[in-house]
Amino acid sequence: EVQLLESGGGLVQPGGSLRLSCAASGFIFSNYAMTWVRQAPGKGLEWVSVISDSGGNTYYADSVKGRFTISRDNSKNTLYLQMNSLRAEDTAVYYCAEDGRSKVVGSGNYGWFEPWGQGTLVTVSS
Amino acid sequence: DIQMTQSPSSVSASVGDRVTITCRASQGISRWLAWYQQKPGKAPKLLIYDAFSLQSGVPSRFSGSGSGTDFTLTISSLQPEDCAVYYCQHYASFPITFGGGTKVEIK
Repeated sequence: EVQLLESGGGLVQPGGSLRLSCAASGFIFSNYAMTWVRQAPGKGLEWVSVISDSGGNTYYADSVKGRFTISRDNSKNTLYLQMNSLRAEDTAVYYCAEDGRSKVVGSGNYGWFEPWGQGTLVTVSS
Repeated sequence: DIQMTQSPSSVSASVGDRVTITCRASQGISRWLAWYQQKPGKAPKLLIYDAFSLQSGVPSRFSGSGSGTDFTLTISSLQPEDCAVYYCQHYASFPITFGGGTKVEIK
């Protein structure tokens, strides 16, 4: 069974940093692209970033570009999101998810997300 | 960036009713569209990908259609467990964007 387990969320002051982790199991992690999606309290879904299977290609939403860095350690089956210069508007539940299109079509393709982790809450507040 | 606009923002229908949700892209996205269902306190769940392909394990009462800029998600016979918020998402280019969501309630 595929499992994704996020960790690392918590309360951080504006301007601070946090690193999220997503531990994967039940599938060949190194074969598929992975993504982060966030959801502010009571709001809709916002795509944050995606990383290719090898880690060689990364893409970001404009709202986080230059502040967040996505990475992965395929030897540890773990996805990361380093978040710097955090702002109040970054407050959200952060989900990691497997990129389904990379699984179906192959490396270099990005698309839909399934499955998802349970999410980890990041609160940016003084 | 491609903007995704969903309508309606909420819908109330009776058990057994047909429910249709619309998603419009600000520019053509071919069939590069997915639909998700999200229940309170839970992660989203993929229903449809490539505009009309049903994800494994998803009930057949869910279906998707459309291409280009206009898409629909249809629930052919609404069930109580379908109460949720539904989101569309394009993946035609970066940045990937989601629609604002449609809340489906039982009347």
